[in-house]
Amino acid sequence: EPEVTQTPSHQVTQMGQEVILRCVPISNHLYFYWYRQILGQKVEFLVSFYNNEISEKSEIFDDQFSVERPDGSNFTLKIRSTKLEDSAMYFCASKTLYTGELFFGEGSRLTVL
Amino acid sequence: DQQVKQNSPSLSVQEGRISILNCDYTNSMFDYFLWYKKYPAEGPTFLISISSIKDKNEDGRFTVFLNKSAKHLSLHIVPSQPGDSAVYFCAASIVSGGSNYKLTFGKGTLLTVNP
Repeated sequence: EPEVTQTPSHQVTQMGQEVILRCVPISNHLYFYWYRQILGQKVEFLVSFYNNEISEKSEIFDDQFSVERPDGSNFTLKIRSTKLEDSAMYFCASKTLYTGELFFGEGSRLTVL
Repeated sequence: DQQVKQNSPSLSVQEGRISILNCDYTNSMFDYFLWYKKYPAEGPTFLISISSIKDKNEDGRFTVFLNKSAKHLSLHIVPSQPGDSAVYFCAASIVSGGSNYKLTFGKGTLLTVNP
């Protein structure tokens, strides 16, 4: 069964460093998303991406964050200068044109020291 | 601003009995509702959804009920099995009007099914 894959599964970084989280969405999906879950809190929307551009972003998604789909298969989330509060589980999700369900990857755990 | 609320952080039931997980929402624009199941260190897994034009959707042991007037939905699992033990998230979306279908999640309910 097709699935969303994410790498790395866990990344530890120093505060102020740049981090790139990678996702390979399901191949025929057209909508792409990043969500995050800080430990013990709810899953929060970060950004949605459709037709090669950001369609919506939350207030969490400030200038330190960016997304791109460089090669038609990968979908990346970049954090330019990580802060301690960026420590969280980051989930990539994708969706077809025709249904409302998002399909999530296993997540990338980011730990900022 | 909690647009989707799951007021029970946890629920414990006996194997074979019914599990009822509840969810309330405040945004009347939501027209599509979903339940996800999540195990620790894994991503949310889609379970079942319902459109606002329906009041019930059933898939095997899982049934979702929607009460639009009360802005309330529930997930029934019958019979409950130990493998159902997980965190269940309610989510809502706006699918009409060309939106980007982003999901707004509740905080989740930890279901424990005891053998």
